[in-house]
Amino acid sequence: EAGVTQFPSHSVIEKGQTVTLRCDPISGHDNLYWYRRVMGKEIKFLLHFVKESKQDESGMPNNRFLAERTGGTYSTLKVQPAELEDSGVYFCASSQDWVRGGLEAFFGQGTRLTVV
Amino acid sequence: GNSVTQMEGPVTLSEEAFLTINCTYTATGYPSLFWYVQYPGEGLQLLLKATKADDKGSNKGFEATYRKETTSFHLEKGSVQVSDSAVYFCALRSGGYNKLIFGAGTRLAVHP
Repeated sequence: EAGVTQFPSHSVIEKGQTVTLRCDPISGHDNLYWYRRVMGKEIKFLLHFVKESKQDESGMPNNRFLAERTGGTYSTLKVQPAELEDSGVYFCASSQDWVRGGLEAFFGQGTRLTVV
Repeated sequence: GNSVTQMEGPVTLSEEAFLTINCTYTATGYPSLFWYVQYPGEGLQLLLKATKADDKGSNKGFEATYRKETTSFHLEKGSVQVSDSAVYFCALRSGGYNKLIFGAGTRLAVHP
């Protein structure tokens, strides 16, 4: 079974440009999460989808970040326009629903974003 | 609010040494506690977990005990190997779903 897959693995963009990160969760996982680790600090929660709906987006830093999960499958996280402080590693995770005991979140390898 | 504090790294050990990585937390209610590990070039993997006070999580020779009285969840291993070199993250979950709160991570380097 394939794990959580993230694209691209690395991205270097200039300040002011747009970048779109993609996450493919484990098939059948209703819950999808985005996290970010900035400059070796703690990993911080960004938002949570249940299927195609945003359950919690309290961690989104500002309106330059837009997350979507059309059809409840893969998700994209767009940063527009990118700023220097957006550099970091973006992690995606997925888990099953609570009824099926989705207590463990499975993480992808992350996308390392560098804004120059 | 909820938070996790773990010891700063890097931690450098010789093979077969004893490992302790300290983790303390602040949370309302009764959180579940986790240790995640990130090996070089890989994603985060769940290493072990504990869901209530006095529970001991264990995996791959690592152990951590949920201590409510000291709000701690220290990671230990009796004899580390070079292959344990990685970044270790302590995390808590309070409430539903998997909205995890992580510590800053501790890098462990084990040399022969």
